[in-house]
Amino acid sequence: AQSVSQHNHHVILSEAASLELGCNYSYGGTVNLFWYVQYPGQHLQLLLKYFSGDPLVKGIKGFEAEFIKSKFSFNLRKPSVQWSDTAEYFCAVNVSITGGGNKLTFGTGTQLKVEL
Amino acid sequence: EAGVTQFPSHSVIEKGQTVTLRCDPISGHDNLYWYRRVMGKEIKFLLHFVKESKQDESGMPNNRFLAERTGGTYSTLKVQPAELEDSGVYFCASRDYEQYFGPGTRLTVT
Repeated sequence: AQSVSQHNHHVILSEAASLELGCNYSYGGTVNLFWYVQYPGQHLQLLLKYFSGDPLVKGIKGFEAEFIKSKFSFNLRKPSVQWSDTAEYFCAVNVSITGGGNKLTFGTGTQLKVEL
Repeated sequence: EAGVTQFPSHSVIEKGQTVTLRCDPISGHDNLYWYRRVMGKEIKFLLHFVKESKQDESGMPNNRFLAERTGGTYSTLKVQPAELEDSGVYFCASRDYEQYFGPGTRLTVT
């Protein structure tokens, strides 16, 4: 079974600082990779995803993530965070197989607080 | 287009009682998923419907949990009898090319 590790549980940054949130997964086969975000009081929403192709994917709100297959990693980055990026961020994977059902396996989440 | 909705948003019940959670997926989405997040832990998969059929229920914790999706539209998740460890946030998601999540139901068992 696959698993996902997020190394940072709580991150506090000042506005304009750069962000990198770590995510590692364990699974020997082909996976699809996701970052979800939950802003305070809102639904989980998809930030970005990687299925195949260019390992550097760009998402909404200036976020990007890089898939490094050799490291089983999919770290999330943003060059300059804003106060409005305060949220909880979740890395997730699903197994890319026919009939796999697309169920997601999540990491434990990272609470990001951006201070003014 | 309306998103995934869940009802109720919060539920507080006593141990031993029964609770039924409801999820209305986005219209036309055949795939519906239930997940649960126990406080401080990761969001965990419970089960997956394709239309009215259970495709995968490998994440259901035990037989106190019963999920249905009659007619392939909305889904219910019943917990009977509830235990303290069932407390958490229950998320529903429906899928076309990606999974769209509902706001969750926060269940507290006292």
